Amino acid sequence: DVKVTQSSRYLVKRTGEKVFLECVQDMDHENMFWYRQDPGLGLRLIYFSYDVKMKEKGDIPEGYSVSREKKERFSLILESASTNQTSMYLCASSRLGNTEAFFGQGTRLTVV
Amino acid sequence: EDQVTQSPEALRLQEGESSSLNCSYTVSGLRGLFWYRQDPGKGPEFLFTLYSAGEEKEKERLKATLTKKESFLHITAPKPEDSATYLCAVQGGDYKLSFGAGTTVTVRA
Repeated sequence: DVKVTQSSRYLVKRTGEKVFLECVQDMDHENMFWYRQDPGLGLRLIYFSYDVKMKEKGDIPEGYSVSREKKERFSLILESASTNQTSMYLCASSRLGNTEAFFGQGTRLTVV
Repeated sequence: EDQVTQSPEALRLQEGESSSLNCSYTVSGLRGLFWYRQDPGKGPEFLFTLYSAGEEKEKERLKATLTKKESFLHITAPKPEDSATYLCAVQGGDYKLSFGAGTTVTVRA
């Protein structure tokens, strides 16, 4: 079974902190994604990556950056956390092409 | 920009009462349409992929169908364990995966 593991289930951070969310997948997938999920808005794509060191902006990249130094790991960085970044963050991975994505369990981030 | 709209937002069913969820979409060059199930506090779990109009997929009490503009998820004789949020997503020519807001289904015993 594909396993996508996010480093934390719950995080509480202060406004202005730099926050790192880590995601690791064990199926040698080329594609990796970061989404945030908010009530009534569904999943919104922040960034995705189709290869090591490659990244593409999604629909809401402002205030975020990403890093993919190794194929299995995709990190989401909040440069200076703000309260409007309080959300559920979901990481996913998939094989290259039009195949299904597999999701991690999510990180619920609260910025106070 | 790809758009995915799901309806209704919420659906309350009696056990055994069949119903359908709708996912309408606009996408440039559909590569695939995906259905996921999400339980509270968890990540989405993959259910089906549909690639072309006319295609159908089935799994237990769930059946997904696809036309050129929309997809339906039919729930036949649902049980309480089918209660979840069902998400629809499309993948377009740029390989981005765009999601709808979901339909929350509650099945009462």
